[in-house]
Amino acid sequence: AQKITQTQPGMFVQEKEAVTLDCTYDTSDPSYGLFWYKQPSSGEMIFLIYQGSYDQQNATEGRYSLNFQKARKSANLVISASQLGDSAMYFCAMRERNTDKLIFGTGTRLQVFP
Amino acid sequence: DSGVTQTPKHLITATGQRVTLRCSPRSGDLSVYWYQQSLDQGLQFLIQYYNGEERAKGNILERFSAQQFPDLHSELNLSSLELGDSALYFCASSVRGQGGTEAFFGQGTRLTVV
Repeated sequence: AQKITQTQPGMFVQEKEAVTLDCTYDTSDPSYGLFWYKQPSSGEMIFLIYQGSYDQQNATEGRYSLNFQKARKSANLVISASQLGDSAMYFCAMRERNTDKLIFGTGTRLQVFP
Repeated sequence: DSGVTQTPKHLITATGQRVTLRCSPRSGDLSVYWYQQSLDQGLQFLIQYYNGEERAKGNILERFSAQQFPDLHSELNLSSLELGDSALYFCASSVRGQGGTEAFFGQGTRLTVV
């Protein structure tokens, strides 16, 4: 069965520094997609970045980049130049092949301090 | 703004009651997904509809049902409510039913059962 693991319940980072949020996944399917979402205290789920299993390059979206290491089954999110507004819960998710159902990890709470 | 609209934003109701949550997907999106986020279970997939037809089912209780209408909006019906049903319910939409590279979430409906 597919599974997402986020081992960091909480992370702290100073403003303007970079931070890496870990995500490992388990699947026997050769075709899959990996997503990262941000959930601020207001509750909405904000889509950040996507990486397909066959993508040759790591995905990037502005200050977000995904460090995709297929052999290690890891898809870590890197946030560069952290801002106070980045403080939120971050969820890693994997798309199931035959639908677009997402399987989520337990999340990492990131706190950015001045 | 993700373009996915959920109403109501907040709902407080008593045990044993029935409620209906509504979701309007992004324009052009054919697929709608419902997720439940609770403290003890995390983010769980409930059900997916694609162009009016049920596509996938997750850990959805028999007391819960959903449908997608011809105009593609969807409703999630929760009946015989219990205290444990208190959660944040998300709707998400995507263009395709499978293989998509993005899935956008609504702001959620926070259900409190008292």
